[in-house]
Amino acid sequence: EIVLTQSPATLSVSPGERATLSCRASQSVNNYLAWYQQKPGQAPRLLIYDTSSRATGIPARFSGSGSGTDFTLTISSLEPEDFALYYCHQRTNWPITFGQGTRLEIK
Amino acid sequence: QVQLLQSGAEVKKPGASVKVSCMASGYTFTAFYIHWVRQAPGQRLEWMGWINPSTGDTKHAQNFQGRVTMTRDTSISTAYMELSRLRSDDTAIYFCAREGYCTNGVCLHWFDPWGQGTLVTVSS
Repeated sequence: EIVLTQSPATLSVSPGERATLSCRASQSVNNYLAWYQQKPGQAPRLLIYDTSSRATGIPARFSGSGSGTDFTLTISSLEPEDFALYYCHQRTNWPITFGQGTRLEIK
Repeated sequence: QVQLLQSGAEVKKPGASVKVSCMASGYTFTAFYIHWVRQAPGQRLEWMGWINPSTGDTKHAQNFQGRVTMTRDTSISTAYMELSRLRSDDTAIYFCAREGYCTNGVCLHWFDPWGQGTLVTVSS
């Protein structure tokens, strides 16, 4: 099983600043990694797929990068609606796995 | 629009079973796999398995072997996940998700959309 480890667990950032979230895989996932955003009481929403492609309707301030085992989600200038939980997700190997999440909170 | 609508919250006693439904609309139900993912309080998302609505074939995560049954009814575009021999640590929100993020006429194997989630509480 591929284990995805996200860091930090909680990230405190002020609106307008940049946030950088990390996801490390226990073995290579090639570029088959996605990021989801989840707000309280809501289902996860696809943000980034195939490491760096933005899903439809996702603002350009969200970007993804990385390869192999190390991946990053960057939010260039935080808006109030961006404060949420973020999960990375791989489907290279069975079983499908998710990271434990990074909580992005307002500083 | 493409949507997955799940059944309402359930409260069950330990040892009982629960069956959650996921009704698809806005697309051809048999064209995309449906996955089930759960989220226990304070825990990461946990993938449970998938069903191919076209054939009824299923695949389950090892943790749920022997306890989970995934079925579908194509006449009403609905997938079901039944979990048996419930324990207190099965208390979670259960999501269904379509494996099929589609853009520019191409559909990829990512989860989009998700259902709204069904809270299952297991308590004596």
